[in-house]
Amino acid sequence: EAGVAQSPRYKIIEKRQSVAFWCNPISGHATLYWYQQILGQGPKLLIQFQNNGVVDDSQLPKDRFSAERLKGVDSTLKIQPAKLEDSAVYLCASSLGTSGRAFRNEQFFGPGTRLTVL
Amino acid sequence: AQRVTQPEKLLSVFKGAPVELKCNYSYSGSPELFWYVQYSRQRLQLLLRHISRESIKGFTADLNKGETSFHLKKPFAQEEDSAMYYCALLNAGGTSYGKLTFGQGTILTVHP
Repeated sequence: EAGVAQSPRYKIIEKRQSVAFWCNPISGHATLYWYQQILGQGPKLLIQFQNNGVVDDSQLPKDRFSAERLKGVDSTLKIQPAKLEDSAVYLCASSLGTSGRAFRNEQFFGPGTRLTVL
Repeated sequence: AQRVTQPEKLLSVFKGAPVELKCNYSYSGSPELFWYVQYSRQRLQLLLRHISRESIKGFTADLNKGETSFHLKKPFAQEEDSAMYYCALLNAGGTSYGKLTFGQGTILTVHP
């Protein structure tokens, strides 16, 4: 079974530039998550999609971050313009869905994109 | 607000020694907790969940609601257990169902 795919794996940009990350979840997974992991911290949820709808984006800095999942499959996360504090690993994860059934809640993570903002 | 605390950033033990990685949580509802592990150069993956009451790779974790803890334990550590370990709490209610809140992680090093 193919896992969650992300690209690029690494990105270096200068502050005020724009950047986009791409995620392809596991086939059939309805729920997709974007996490930000700053060095020395645990992953922090930025946005959660259920199919192509946003479930939770309460921690997404909407003045500079945007995300979409137009067809309910792939997703892109964009930062425009980037700041130094955006340097982090951006993780994408997917799960079958969300419900009271424990197996559906298991999240599978991609390898992440390491962003460095200079 | 839900919160997960892992008080130890680093933990070092020798091979064959017992190991315990601490996790405390704050959550108003009935918690569903997980341990995730990230080995060197690998992606984050689920190690175990409390609801399954399982032992994976010799690790167990018991949910203690009185102490709001979910410590990860292994009686005899192995070198291949060296990794970063994250405790995570699932939001099991409301519109954010499925959201995970992670602790800061503990780097476990098992020396030969």
